[in-house]
Amino acid sequence: QVQLQESGPGLVKPSETLSLTCTVSGGSVSSGPYYWSWIRQPPGKGLEWIGYIYYSGSTNYNPSLESRVTILADTSKNQFSLRLRSVTAADTAVYFCASAYARSLSFDDWGQGTLVTVSS
Amino acid sequence: QSALTQPASVSGSPGQSITIPCIGTSRDVGSYNLVSWYQHHPGKAPKLMIYEGSKRPSGVSNRFSGSRSDNTASLTISGLQAEDEADYYCCSYAGSSTWVFGGGTKLTVV
Repeated sequence: QVQLQESGPGLVKPSETLSLTCTVSGGSVSSGPYYWSWIRQPPGKGLEWIGYIYYSGSTNYNPSLESRVTILADTSKNQFSLRLRSVTAADTAVYFCASAYARSLSFDDWGQGTLVTVSS
Repeated sequence: QSALTQPASVSGSPGQSITIPCIGTSRDVGSYNLVSWYQHHPGKAPKLMIYEGSKRPSGVSNRFSGSRSDNTASLTISGLQAEDEADYYCCSYAGSSTWVFGGGTKLTVV
């Protein structure tokens, strides 16, 4: 079983860039076939899939966020990261990192999540 | 890409069975037998309970079962226990390497 842990600032100012890192243990971001994903939950709302980086390095994003999102991997640190540009209060959420096995396309392992608040 | 539709809340008594529907479209739930269900206790990591519509990961109680009919997937929990009280989310693969989640259902065991 893979363990994932999110880290990053809990407070970001409007119009700035939200940056989070997910550290993976018990598995490798460069081993497949896994989709290393980011998912968020705004306060009082449901989950929203943000995007993924595949073990091969390819990426794909939710069309509603695609223009502002970048997901990268650092294989030397066994981490992957999320960058969300030009944030507003609507981006306030608990952000989760998760892994999805390519055959079942379900999110088998999750981090506990980290709350990011967008406020001046 | 619209969110899947779930009831905001359901409740049941210990020992009873409940079913949570998850309504999608022909572009997601109806096209792929790739619905998964997650149990989430706030403040903790969500837990995969059902994948590929009806399969249970190792270690998940057989009280949890999943099914699908047309554009609607369902999660049934039988023999309700107090520890089942949590939020439950459905998720469907939606093609083109994208996923869509439901809005979540709060299960109360009364």
